[in-house]
Amino acid sequence: TQLLEQSPQFLSIQEGENLTVYCNSSSVFSSLQWYRQEPGEGPVLLVTVVTGGEVKKLKRLTFQFGDARKDSSLHITAAQPGDTGLYLCAGALSTSYDKVIFGPGTSLSVIP
Amino acid sequence: DTGVSQNPRHKITKRGQNVTFRCDPISEHNRLYWYRQTLGQGPEFLTYFQNEAQLEKSRLLSDRFSAERPKGSFSTLEIQRTEQGDSAMYLCASSSSGVPGNTIYFGEGSWLTVV
Repeated sequence: TQLLEQSPQFLSIQEGENLTVYCNSSSVFSSLQWYRQEPGEGPVLLVTVVTGGEVKKLKRLTFQFGDARKDSSLHITAAQPGDTGLYLCAGALSTSYDKVIFGPGTSLSVIP
Repeated sequence: DTGVSQNPRHKITKRGQNVTFRCDPISEHNRLYWYRQTLGQGPEFLTYFQNEAQLEKSRLLSDRFSAERPKGSFSTLEIQRTEQGDSAMYLCASSSSGVPGNTIYFGEGSWLTVV
């Protein structure tokens, strides 16, 4: 079974706090993406990571791809209310024509 | 450069009716994906095209669902004899096989409500 798991499922924090969201699988991915989605809208791409061990930074967001390309993490520093949303990780399966599958998402709420 | 376009954005239909959604991908993208998403969940893979070829269809998808991409450009997703359980947001995404990472870009989705 090709599954992506995310943890935590829900997260409610105060403005200014740091947080980390995890994405794990038993499958190897040729690439992994993180998206943020707001209610009623399509997911919006945050980052794509391709190389095992790769770290990318986007302002207050830091993304890491695991060495074995099976897992990833998203770290947010000094969270702001504007960070509130559903965070989705997605992996491209090299064994399946690069089919992209999604995790269940982490719903983040940042309280002012 | 326009993004992925989906229409209609919202559709309310009676149970048993057929509905069709259209997706226009980013113009230079040769891959096109359909997903279904319910509230608070991640997108669930439905099917996937490379050019006009349908490479994979989810085994979770019943025979009431069919997707086409006849000329390798736009795609349609048809649901026949709709059921209340079909109510969801249907998302289309596209990507280019020539770009490392196969990053997919989404449209805004089509909401389906079956009453």
